[in-house]
Amino acid sequence: KAGVTQTPRYLIKTRGQQVTLSCSPISGHRSVSWYQQTPGQGLQFLFEYFSETQRNKGNFPGRFSGRQFSNSRSEMNVSTLELGDSALYLCASSYRPRDEQFFGPGTRLTVL
Amino acid sequence: AQSVTQLDSQVPVFEEAPVELRCNYSSSVSVYLFWYVQYPNQGLQLLLKYLSGSTLVESINGFEAEFNKSQTSFHLRKPSVHISDTAEYFCAVTLFSGAGSYQLTFGKGTKLSVIP
Repeated sequence: KAGVTQTPRYLIKTRGQQVTLSCSPISGHRSVSWYQQTPGQGLQFLFEYFSETQRNKGNFPGRFSGRQFSNSRSEMNVSTLELGDSALYLCASSYRPRDEQFFGPGTRLTVL
Repeated sequence: AQSVTQLDSQVPVFEEAPVELRCNYSSSVSVYLFWYVQYPNQGLQLLLKYLSGSTLVESINGFEAEFNKSQTSFHLRKPSVHISDTAEYFCAVTLFSGAGSYQLTFGKGTKLSVIP
């Protein structure tokens, strides 16, 4: 089985722009979660989707949004980028919520 | 707020020596417990998990962790480390986040450095 894939792997944007990150879960997994990883804050939960519905949301501003498609693929969008949004964004999938999560390699976003 | 605490941010240890990475969590409900490992410039890999049953769980590469409900701990141990174990280790707990929802919450991570 192929693992979780994330595209793109690296991204450079400037302040004020918006960005869309993509995640393809492991085949058969219907739950997708997103995390932001920074040296200062560590791993922080962004949101979780299951069967196209957002089940859970972390403590991030409304500039961070996401969605899940009928094939379980997920996208997250960050609008009006700020320097502090520079981070590694990790996607994880599981068969159901609360099951063990499998992580993708991440998208490294740099905001200049 | 419910949380996961990894007391040591960095742990240096000599090759072939034993190591323990500590993890404590705060929760009053049943939880699932995980250890993940992250190598440089990579995503997280599941090392081991506790869902139910035996409180001692083992990984294929010699790590083990023991769930202690009374102390709300899930410490990770290895009797003899190798250079290849150098990585960052994250303890994670599925914690109740309200309204019937559970959320995987991570500790801040412990960087294990194995010294030759």
